[in-house]
Amino acid sequence: DTEVTQTPKHLVMGMTNKKSLKCEQHMGHRAMYWYKQKAKKPPELMFVYSYEKLSINESVPSRFSPECPNSSLLNLHLHALQPEDSALYLCASSQVALTDTQYFGPGTRLTVL
Amino acid sequence: AQSVSQHNHHVILSEAASLELGCNYSYGGTVNLFWYVQYPGQHLQLLLKYFSGDPLVKGIKGFEAEFIKSKFSFNLRKPSVQWSDTAEYFCAVTIGDSWGKFQFGAGTQVVVTP
Repeated sequence: DTEVTQTPKHLVMGMTNKKSLKCEQHMGHRAMYWYKQKAKKPPELMFVYSYEKLSINESVPSRFSPECPNSSLLNLHLHALQPEDSALYLCASSQVALTDTQYFGPGTRLTVL
Repeated sequence: AQSVSQHNHHVILSEAASLELGCNYSYGGTVNLFWYVQYPGQHLQLLLKYFSGDPLVKGIKGFEAEFIKSKFSFNLRKPSVQWSDTAEYFCAVTIGDSWGKFQFGAGTQVVVTP
């Protein structure tokens, strides 16, 4: 099973809402990632977790708050987002952080009104 | 600073034509190199990768890439493309050891016409 699942597929939220994105993998990978992808652009790395610890935060605004409850799950908590945060949010996992093949989920399409 | 660059943003070619996509990185030390592909409506997936050893790497679907250290390049090639190769292709690089920087290139949209 090389699948990374993400829920929800689509999310529309207001600027005052609090919502969460969820990502799950059952490949036994110890690294998990969040990316942001705008239309016609490459994915931009946001966060990297390794062995359930936050290892990289690419200067992401605090309105994005990641959480790794266990080695299979990764959440991204959203609060007070701006319209420019509208994008496709991708989750990925790999055996080893950064230097190994990453397996990507289908993404959550987020629209902030 | 841009660590990885892809020269072609858009490529249109006919079936059976040969494809070569350029990728250059700007770092003189240890690198891990990847090509990922995103077919329309599908997840990003790995085409091939280079960590060490033989600089000519073969990947899925008939793709190959050559790591040329002296040119800081990792170009992707396919001798004869098919319509199903229409996709966005991303070069990606991990720069440095362990917790070095990871970055995708800007991507190349490839359209193969029948």
